Amino acid sequence: GQNIDQPTEMTATEGAIVQINCTYQTSGFNGLFWYQQHAGEAPTFLSYNVLDGLEEKGRFSSFLSRSKGYSYLLLKELQMKDSASYLCAVRGDRRGSYIPTFGRGTSLIVHP
Amino acid sequence: DADVTQTPRNRITKTGKRIMLECSQTKGHDRMYWYRQDPGLGLRLIYYSFDVKDINKGEISDGYSVSRQAQAKFSLSLESAIPNQTALYFCATSDLPTQGTGANVLTFGAGSRLTVL
Repeated sequence: GQNIDQPTEMTATEGAIVQINCTYQTSGFNGLFWYQQHAGEAPTFLSYNVLDGLEEKGRFSSFLSRSKGYSYLLLKELQMKDSASYLCAVRGDRRGSYIPTFGRGTSLIVHP
Repeated sequence: DADVTQTPRNRITKTGKRIMLECSQTKGHDRMYWYRQDPGLGLRLIYYSFDVKDINKGEISDGYSVSRQAQAKFSLSLESAIPNQTALYFCATSDLPTQGTGANVLTFGAGSRLTVL
């Protein structure tokens, strides 16, 4: 099975930097995803890590440490539109099907 | 038109009624999924399908059934709806993961909000 843990809620100030952590326990790890979901909307893909290290994509970066079962999503230069839920999803070896299992999500509130 | 279209977007029904949620996609993906989202519980997988003849149960399939009518269509049915099936339902599609470690990114529909009274 898989166990994924991330904080329920975080708050930050516009223009600041915020780090959203995700820890996981899984067998047959095959990649970790971050999705963004605005209230009432569909999740959209942000990033994917399968090897250790940092992946940078504009204002967003994602880090993975497979030995520690740990990832974080780093958001820089926060904007009001970044207020959303951020979903960590881990892809294990589910009978070879590579279907990601989602954590409960972190609700990020950005205030002026 | 959206890549993944879900109908209806909102539905209110009564306990015991049969409900069908429909999903169609223009991505050309073989893989389709139904997830359910509840506040504080995240997205949970109900059923998934790798092609028309390959349908599999997810972690919370009890009380649900699915039909893959074509590569582009995957519907979810609640044979006899109950109040604890009130939730936001998402259909998603993905391509095959490349070489086992490539990303198979999920593309989600806009969601179907179901309320069972």
